[in-house]
Amino acid sequence: AQSVAQPEDQVNVAEGNPLTVKCTYSVSGNPYLFWYVQYPNRGLQFLLKYITGDNLVKGSYGFEAEFNKSQTSFHLKKPSALVSDSALYFCAVRDISSGTYKYIFGTGTRLKVLA
Amino acid sequence: KAGVTQTPRYLIKTRGQQVTLSCSPISGHRSVSWYQQTPGQGLQFLFEYFSETQRNKGNFPGRFSGRQFSNSRSEMNVSTLELGDSALYLCASSLALGGAGNTIYFGEGSWLTVV
Repeated sequence: AQSVAQPEDQVNVAEGNPLTVKCTYSVSGNPYLFWYVQYPNRGLQFLLKYITGDNLVKGSYGFEAEFNKSQTSFHLKKPSALVSDSALYFCAVRDISSGTYKYIFGTGTRLKVLA
Repeated sequence: KAGVTQTPRYLIKTRGQQVTLSCSPISGHRSVSWYQQTPGQGLQFLFEYFSETQRNKGNFPGRFSGRQFSNSRSEMNVSTLELGDSALYLCASSLALGGAGNTIYFGEGSWLTVV
């Protein structure tokens, strides 16, 4: 079965420092991976996705993610964190194996950027 | 281009009542999916509609139902509400059904509180 894991419930980082939000996946076949961000009392906003090609994917708001097939990881990164990046981040995988193509989301990681 | 629009944003219902939530997808998007978000269960897939037909369904009881209209707008209904149905209900739209790289875009959600 397809699944994603976000091992950290919360990540704290100082403003200006680089940030990493971790995601690992388990899929049969090629992975289709996504990152979304949710600000308080809002819906989810699409950040970036990996389908194929370059292992480093660039997305919105200066975020990027590194796909690592050998470690089955898709970590979200940003070189310099902003206080406004504080939010809930979700990693997701597209469920190809069942033929439904539904999204399977991780449990979310709360990012707190400290001024 | 307008995003996904969900109404109402907030509502309070009593146990045993029913509720209908509405979703207007991004113009041109024909697939609409629904998710339930709760602190305990995270994001759970409810169902997906395309061309007025339910194409995929998650593991929710029959009290949860939906439909899609010819203009791609969708509604979901929950009957005989229970306290545990209190959640943020998120609608997402995409251009087409399936397609591994197909990105879904979320609305702001409808906050349902059952008392």
